[in-house]
Amino acid sequence: DGGITQSPKYLFRKEGQNVTLSCEQNLNHDAMYWYRQDPGQGLRLIYYSQIVNDFQKGDIAEGYSVSREKKESFPLTVTSAQKNPTAFYLCASSRGQEIQETQYFGPGTRLLVL
Amino acid sequence: GNSVTQMEGPVTLSEEAFLTINCTYTATGYPSLFWYVQYPGEGLQLLLKATKADDKGSNKGFEATYRKETTSFHLEKGSVQVSDSAVYFCALERDYQLIWGAGTKLIIKP
Repeated sequence: DGGITQSPKYLFRKEGQNVTLSCEQNLNHDAMYWYRQDPGQGLRLIYYSQIVNDFQKGDIAEGYSVSREKKESFPLTVTSAQKNPTAFYLCASSRGQEIQETQYFGPGTRLLVL
Repeated sequence: GNSVTQMEGPVTLSEEAFLTINCTYTATGYPSLFWYVQYPGEGLQLLLKATKADDKGSNKGFEATYRKETTSFHLEKGSVQVSDSAVYFCALERDYQLIWGAGTKLIIKP
């Protein structure tokens, strides 16, 4: 079955700690995205990547970093510089950078601060 | 700037009722418009989309028409089921990115 997997489902971060959220897709999609979802708000784009070894900042990139070393993987690191990291994080992918290409979403990772 | 406004939820209906979830947008030009749905415990999935004015997107009994004169893309369904209970998101395209509404939670009671 093709799809997007995110792990872990729940992640706990201590103060000053960096944590990495995993996102893997086996859809052979070129484009991948990271969104943050907060209660009562729409999804906000953190980073996106249209091709391997290339990525761009979204609207709320501060305090986050990404890498795209492989087509199927797009991990997101939440750094200690992100002062309010508690949120639901969604990873998505699409066949290409054309927005008419449907974005497919993973099940999400909920990050909580201890 | 570009933005999407959805009606606040939760919206609670009885099974077989008629559904409307309002979505209006602010954008330059004529962006593509989308409805995504998030079922409990699942990831977001595309429900329907429209890429130009007067287009009607439809899927699973849901419909939405791209109205440029009212800058709206309201979601409708003639007869809802308990299985339609979910959070519905309206979104528009801007520079190859999606701008999202806040989501509307729909609760269908048997």
